[in-house]
Amino acid sequence: GAVVSQHPSWVICKSGTSVKIECRSLDFQATTMFWYRQFPKQSLMLMATSNEGSKATYEQGVEKDKFLINHASLTLSTLTVTSAHPEDSSFYICSAKAGLGGNIQYFGAGTRLSVL
Amino acid sequence: AQTVTQSQPEMSVQEAETVTLSCTYDTSESDYYLFWYKQPPSRQMILVIRQEAYKQQNATENRFSVNFQKAAKSFSLKISDSQLGDAAMYFCAYRRQSGTYKYIFGTGTRLKVLA
Repeated sequence: GAVVSQHPSWVICKSGTSVKIECRSLDFQATTMFWYRQFPKQSLMLMATSNEGSKATYEQGVEKDKFLINHASLTLSTLTVTSAHPEDSSFYICSAKAGLGGNIQYFGAGTRLSVL
Repeated sequence: AQTVTQSQPEMSVQEAETVTLSCTYDTSESDYYLFWYKQPPSRQMILVIRQEAYKQQNATENRFSVNFQKAAKSFSLKISDSQLGDAAMYFCAYRRQSGTYKYIFGTGTRLKVLA
């Protein structure tokens, strides 16, 4: 199956700093990537959808300036949490969809963000 | 708007037995996709099985099968010969066939497998 790599797997940062999370499709071209947030014992909440070469589409209630998404190539999307605060601590998961006809999302292993 | 409901927060099954996880959804679309994903303690989301709405035949993947009832908008997952490695959170997901590619996830069912 298709492989999606997410890095880092765990990051601890101080309040007020920015953190970048990378999501790479290793063996396929991902025209569309998705970013989710998951709170403990809860489901995945879609934050935004990013298409290569265009601006991300954010879900209602997600702050665009807080969560910056860049999808500069067909294999890489990044999520930057700017001026992180303790309430941003969570588990962030990316997924990627292969090509125009693909209907399956392949998921990264997730990133645990802890903001002190 | 589409919604996905998993009414069983937690289920238990004895090893080697069979268990069925329930999922219902609401949509006005006629063409769509349905998925079951597994999230083990590692939190890596793993695709278990998928179903295209236009197919009447229920999907099967080894020990995993679905009961897709389109009119009832029901999509249950049956796990046969349960193994300890099946213990995980299971999420049901819906996706429209066209337009947005985003998934709508249910709230999940935690499956415990008893030795």
